[in-house]
Amino acid sequence: QSALAQPPSVSGSPGQSLTISCTGTGSDIGAHDHVSWYQQHPGKAPKLIIYDVTHRPSDISDRFSASKSGNTASLTISGLQSEDEGDYYCSSYSSRATLVFGGGTKLTVL
Amino acid sequence: QVRLVESGGGVVQPGRSLRLSCSVTGFTFSRYTMHWVRQAPGKGLEWVSVISYDGTVKNYAESVKGRFSVSRDTSLHLHMSSLRAEDTAIYYCATTFYSGAGWNFDLWGQGTLVTVSS
Repeated sequence: QSALAQPPSVSGSPGQSLTISCTGTGSDIGAHDHVSWYQQHPGKAPKLIIYDVTHRPSDISDRFSASKSGNTASLTISGLQSEDEGDYYCSSYSSRATLVFGGGTKLTVL
Repeated sequence: QVRLVESGGGVVQPGRSLRLSCSVTGFTFSRYTMHWVRQAPGKGLEWVSVISYDGTVKNYAESVKGRFSVSRDTSLHLHMSSLRAEDTAIYYCATTFYSGAGWNFDLWGQGTLVTVSS
């Protein structure tokens, strides 16, 4: 199972908005709505920020939003803050009853 | 307090075996499907295995199929055999606890490091 495709890095200035893409196939993102996004800070376990394509856990800021179109999912972070800096991973359930992660995107706040 | 705690990591020679465990506190373990996810040093996340709440359904990533075996009793376990250098990673146990119906993980352990080296 190949990893979902994410850009290796993105950057933005405080207050800006940016979007991270996650491209899969018709066997994962394109076929299922179990698409999630995680934020990971150095030395820490990942933290769930989006699940089931668009849903946010109750403790996650509404600055985080997400969507899906075809085989591509997207995470948008608005009003960028320094604490948003870190690594972001998408994941999707796959038709083989497995889970596939994206390669990860390093977000830098300039 | 709801918590997952992994143990059993360490340094192991290629070809040898190792058993990881994940202990659970603060919730009814037997009601939850559990997963293992790993992360090689400086690399991304890789899903490893899933076991259903009752232990009857299991599945594995292709990279570990036939070498790793997941089980559960009062804790979650991952028996890893025929270990390779590329199995070197932090191993996390994880589950869906608060959010969603599955295949997303809002509860993670702190991870345990497995180093495969001669």
